[in-house]
Amino acid sequence: DQQVKQNSPSLSVQEGRISILNCDYTNSMFDYFLWYKKYPAEGPTFLISISSIKDKNEDGRFTVFLNKSAKHLSLHIVPSQPGDSAVYFCAARAGGFKTIFGAGTRLFVKA
Amino acid sequence: DAGVIQSPRHEVTEMGQEVTLRCKPISGHDYLFWYRQTMMRGLELLIYFNNNVPIDDSGMPEDRFSAKMPNASFSTLKIQPSEPRDSAVYFCASSPTGQLNEKLFFGSGTQLSVL
Repeated sequence: DQQVKQNSPSLSVQEGRISILNCDYTNSMFDYFLWYKKYPAEGPTFLISISSIKDKNEDGRFTVFLNKSAKHLSLHIVPSQPGDSAVYFCAARAGGFKTIFGAGTRLFVKA
Repeated sequence: DAGVIQSPRHEVTEMGQEVTLRCKPISGHDYLFWYRQTMMRGLELLIYFNNNVPIDDSGMPEDRFSAKMPNASFSTLKIQPSEPRDSAVYFCASSPTGQLNEKLFFGSGTQLSVL
């Protein structure tokens, strides 16, 4: 039973446009959420995070939105760049450091 | 900072053979995690250690899997005997203190193929 779900295996976006990656979770005890980015043949690297007491966190071109009532979060990338093409993992924690990841969404940014 | 170091990068073996994956965490990090990445399930947490002690191994799929951390700078994940369904990318990650808002630092992974 996957507690963190990324229902879109892939997403294709034109350079300069907005990319929106979605993530749903089932465990209401999750109180911290993270996004990781992964290039081929490399390990995931941390991108951005958000605490459950917030509904938005922004870092440059990347913004994460959290809707606790819907158990949904999203990652917005504006503007999208070809270098953003990677697999994006949504992850969540429940009061500790055991991090549960989703299956990932592969983003293609076309030049 | 050398980051988390995993070896080997690629491992090809035959069904029934023993496989040992190795990890050197970042110096000073107290937490070490082993993850497995598959297409269907994404990144699955297998086991994690705090100060060399296994804390949660509920993600270890079967008794064929075992993990050890004999000291702060080395951990192994062993599969014996290996099966084709074990084919995946195995990642090791570490974090300094395990606080809620702390990020994980991942190694480059070991691509395991069991024929």
